Amino acid sequence: DIQMTQSPSSVSASVGDRVTITCRASQDIGSRLGWYQQKPGKAPNLLIYGASSLQSGVPSRFSGSGSGTGFTLTISSLQPEDSATYYCQQINAFPLTFGGGTKVEIK
Amino acid sequence: QLQLQESGPGLVKPSETLSLTCTVSGDSISSGGDHWGWIRQAPGKGLQWIGNFFHGGSTVYNPSLGGRVTISADTSKNHFSLQLNSVIAADTAIYYCGRHPPYAPFNYWGQGILVIVSS
Repeated sequence: DIQMTQSPSSVSASVGDRVTITCRASQDIGSRLGWYQQKPGKAPNLLIYGASSLQSGVPSRFSGSGSGTGFTLTISSLQPEDSATYYCQQINAFPLTFGGGTKVEIK
Repeated sequence: QLQLQESGPGLVKPSETLSLTCTVSGDSISSGGDHWGWIRQAPGKGLQWIGNFFHGGSTVYNPSLGGRVTISADTSKNHFSLQLNSVIAADTAIYYCGRHPPYAPFNYWGQGILVIVSS
């Protein structure tokens, strides 16, 4: 199985801050990576696909980068509504696997 | 607009079979090349992929579930189903169904259904 390791597990930042979340794959997955945002009591919502493509309707302050085994999700200017847990997922091989999640809190 | 809706019992006894259905509207599960799958999330925990159903009837499952999973589809009713056998308390989770293109993440999700395993 491809292991997905996210860091940090949690981050607390102020409105307007730049926040970066890292996801590392245990083997090369090319660009077959997605990022999700999940708010309490809700299903995950797709933010990024193909490692760096912004899903339709997602604010442009979200961006993704990376390929191979190292990926990042960046929120360029944190907003109050961005308080949530973020997950990466590899879709290169079965079984599909997710990172452990990063909880983003607003100071 | 594609919509997915999970349904089924919210309480299952240990050792019994968990059965859920995902009803799809706005698209046909038998058309196109997209994958239809199940994902679960134990309370306060992360996401775990359970398995997928493909156009043509193929399926693939997460081996960590020890062969207890069956996913099937009823194209006449435009829904697909999950069966998880011999459940234990650790199978308590919110179960989501979703759709994703090949080699792309899930772009549509159901709202999720909480299933508790308890006697």
